[in-house]
Amino acid sequence: EDQVTQSPEALRLQEGESSSLNCSYTVSGLRGLFWYRQDPGKGPEFLFTLYSAGEEKEKERLKATLTKKESFLHITAPKPEDSATYLCAVRTSGSRLTFGEGTQLTVNP
Amino acid sequence: NAGVTQTPKFQVLKTGQSMTLQCAQDMNHEYMSWYRQDPGMGLRLIHYSVGAGITDQGEVPNGYNVSRSTTEDFPLRLLSAAPSQTSVYFCASSLRGEQYFGPGTRLTVT
Repeated sequence: EDQVTQSPEALRLQEGESSSLNCSYTVSGLRGLFWYRQDPGKGPEFLFTLYSAGEEKEKERLKATLTKKESFLHITAPKPEDSATYLCAVRTSGSRLTFGEGTQLTVNP
Repeated sequence: NAGVTQTPKFQVLKTGQSMTLQCAQDMNHEYMSWYRQDPGMGLRLIHYSVGAGITDQGEVPNGYNVSRSTTEDFPLRLLSAAPSQTSVYFCASSLRGEQYFGPGTRLTVT
């Protein structure tokens, strides 16, 4: 059974304080790892897809990396508007995704 | 493009009532899915469809029905609502794995 575990559950940072979120996974045949951002009361918003170990993707202050067992979402010099819940998901067959429970990020000014 | 749209945004039902949550997408995506999101449980797949006329069960299908008569629409039916179905429901569509979500329907069953 595919499993996705995200840590920490919640993270509080000061503006400008860089950090990383972790997504570890146990799957049989990874066909993509996805990162989403979710704001309160809204649907998840797609951020990145990673397909193979060593791959990296960047968008503004966010960088996602992938190894054979986990993915990291690095947040560099975060701003308050980066506050959200970040979700990780894996795809192993077809288009079905298995999601982790998310990391709730709060960035204080 | 409107993307993925869901109606209604909020709904309150009494135990035993039935209703249909509507989902539509205008991106011509073949794959559509329904999730529920509960605190501490993450997003869980209810039903999905890989194209018009084809549906299958996800992780938590009991109490829900779906049909897919067109590429654009994928309604979710609650046949006899129960308090355990109180949740936020998201519809999503996908072309090549990256799923795009609607804004959600917050359902309360009393």
